[in-house]
Amino acid sequence: QVQLVQSGAEVKHPGASVKVSCQASGYTFTGYDISWVRQVSGHRLEWMGWMKPLRGDEGYAKKFQDRVRFTRDMSNSTAYMELRSLRFEDTAVYFCARTPYDSSGSYSYGMDVWGQGTTVTVSS
Amino acid sequence: EIVLTQSPDTLSLSPGERATLSCRASQTLSTNYLAWYQQKPGRAPRLLIYGASNRATGIPDRFSGSGSGPAFTLTITRLEPEDFAVYYCHHLNTFGPGTKVDIK
Repeated sequence: QVQLVQSGAEVKHPGASVKVSCQASGYTFTGYDISWVRQVSGHRLEWMGWMKPLRGDEGYAKKFQDRVRFTRDMSNSTAYMELRSLRFEDTAVYFCARTPYDSSGSYSYGMDVWGQGTTVTVSS
Repeated sequence: EIVLTQSPDTLSLSPGERATLSCRASQTLSTNYLAWYQQKPGRAPRLLIYGASNRATGIPDRFSGSGSGPAFTLTITRLEPEDFAVYYCHHLNTFGPGTKVDIK
């Protein structure tokens, strides 16, 4: 069964960092991009960026590029999203999603498998 | 930066009716990267359509996507009770604000 399982809810103080994990199973981890998306309660989905697990290539939304980093551990098929310098407005549910592309990267098959989401609360 | 606008904000319909949801971009898009997602409260989004018009695996044929350039449409031909949800269009690094389909 193809699935992404994310780590549990986190509560952090402003200025701290959070690291969310996303473990893949049921498919070849290195064969698909991983996208990260967040959703503030009651608001739209917000794209944060992507990572290619095979080579570790990453791309970030401009809004987050100074504070976020994506990494991976291929030995256990896990992707990580670390967000630094947390602010109250970073309180949100964070999702990882498998994102297949064709071999040229010029066609996307959508984000076809999603993690269950990780709630990050920033509170003093 | 591309901006996606969805209309209407809310669509109030009855089961069995047809739903037509619009997604308009601030500039011409490649259909190769246009997708639609369904999201229910407390759940992760679910991929419905990719490449503007291709149904994802397991998606019923009452869902269809169309469009090109800056204007795209998601159509649900006959609403089932489980279809009442929020629908988002997406292109590369941008999501639309969503259309809520609720029960009339």
